[in-house]
Amino acid sequence: DAMVIQNPRYQVTQFGKPVTLSCSQTLNHNVMYWYQQKSSQAPKLLFHYYDKDFNNEADTPDNFQSRRPNTSFCFLDIRSPGLGDAAMYLCATSRVGLTEAFFGQGTRLTVV
Amino acid sequence: GEDVEQSLFLSVREGDSSVINCTYTDSSSTYLYWYKQEPGAGLQLLTYIFSNMDMKQDQRLTVLLNKKDKHLSLRIADTQTGDSAIYFCAEGANTNAGKSTFGDGTTLTVKP
Repeated sequence: DAMVIQNPRYQVTQFGKPVTLSCSQTLNHNVMYWYQQKSSQAPKLLFHYYDKDFNNEADTPDNFQSRRPNTSFCFLDIRSPGLGDAAMYLCATSRVGLTEAFFGQGTRLTVV
Repeated sequence: GEDVEQSLFLSVREGDSSVINCTYTDSSSTYLYWYKQEPGAGLQLLTYIFSNMDMKQDQRLTVLLNKKDKHLSLRIADTQTGDSAIYFCAEGANTNAGKSTFGDGTTLTVKP
């Protein structure tokens, strides 16, 4: 029944070692979002895809990239993770005209 | 820029009502949302209100909006221990529902 699925739920990576987080959806929504949520803080939008159009937030570091090979999948790539990138990463989907977004369970990233 | 503020903690007794407050600064906000986040989980949309409404009721949840003061509240009637979670207020300026600005969240603790 899960509609927005994030894999893995927990990811441990080494400092500086590239890591990829995955999100898939069964809702056929055309918009997909990636949020970063640090401990005890608000989720912060990193970027979103409107169909294949990539929209980066102004303050998203260059270290964060994203790919959307098709409607169902979206990936978050962190090229050189630092200790400060340890966080929960949330994927969400929506469709133009909808008043709500649907969130996945998140991937908790630990950097060692 | 946009800013959303919430008090950080609220503690209530089981069976009492909980009221979580939020203020926002963006007068062009079209939708205002309340999300619930349980430990280690993603965000669950509880309810939302359109900016031309004053109140919305959904079972145990009542949302009040004072647009003049840019103040939003969420009242949970008959609060249960299962309501213990972090509650996020968020605002969105258009129907791009996932592109929202979130508050830092209010941790609700319900004591038996």
